[in-house]
Amino acid sequence: DSGVTQTPKHLITATGQRVTLRCSPRSGDLSVYWYQQSLDQGLQFLIQYYNGEERAKGNILERFSAQQFPDLHSELNLSSLELGDSALYFCASSVRTGTSYNEQFFGPGTRLTVL
Amino acid sequence: AQSVTQLDSHVSVSEGTPVLLRCNYSSSYSPSLFWYVQHPNKGLQLLLKYTSAATLVKGINGFEAEFKKSETSFHLTKPSAHMSDAAEYFCVVSQDTGFQKLVFGTGTRLLVSP
Repeated sequence: DSGVTQTPKHLITATGQRVTLRCSPRSGDLSVYWYQQSLDQGLQFLIQYYNGEERAKGNILERFSAQQFPDLHSELNLSSLELGDSALYFCASSVRTGTSYNEQFFGPGTRLTVL
Repeated sequence: AQSVTQLDSHVSVSEGTPVLLRCNYSSSYSPSLFWYVQHPNKGLQLLLKYTSAATLVKGINGFEAEFKKSETSFHLTKPSAHMSDAAEYFCVVSQDTGFQKLVFGTGTRLLVSP
């Protein structure tokens, strides 16, 4: 158990809908990262937050957004969902940012299925 | 930009035989490299990491990896495979430009037969 929690575990929805994925980092970790794992694209970095502020963006679509709250939990919002958004979404956390060797601890993921 | 190439999409071994999962990296400067494992329907777990302290890195569950700058490689090895080692393994490079973005390889599925 990494200490990172994600809810829900599974999510099934329809095209055009909007969903919110939630992540609670390990106690004391200030950095939260979101990744998408799909058969087509593999594991890709989406976005990073550090202590409530966005720090970096990866291959995140404009239909997707995220935020990190004062209690450090984070939410990833996916809107106008398409079939291709079906994937496993991981959240990871680390103590701080700016240091390449910081280990990132991954949550169990949320499996999103868009029908 | 950094990248990693995992040379084998699948590796099959018998229980008790050595494991070799190959990874080459590309980086404009000294990278940080990681191996993560993903068991079916599970999250990612760190096996080991290289951060320039020592070229031979020992990880959990008997795995180790050797950083070879001249070959730009970071291969993962284990002397004797267990059935429980069957999983997907990811070689990862960290992009350190003021934040830490992990760049994942495409993964190698390790199959272990009795």
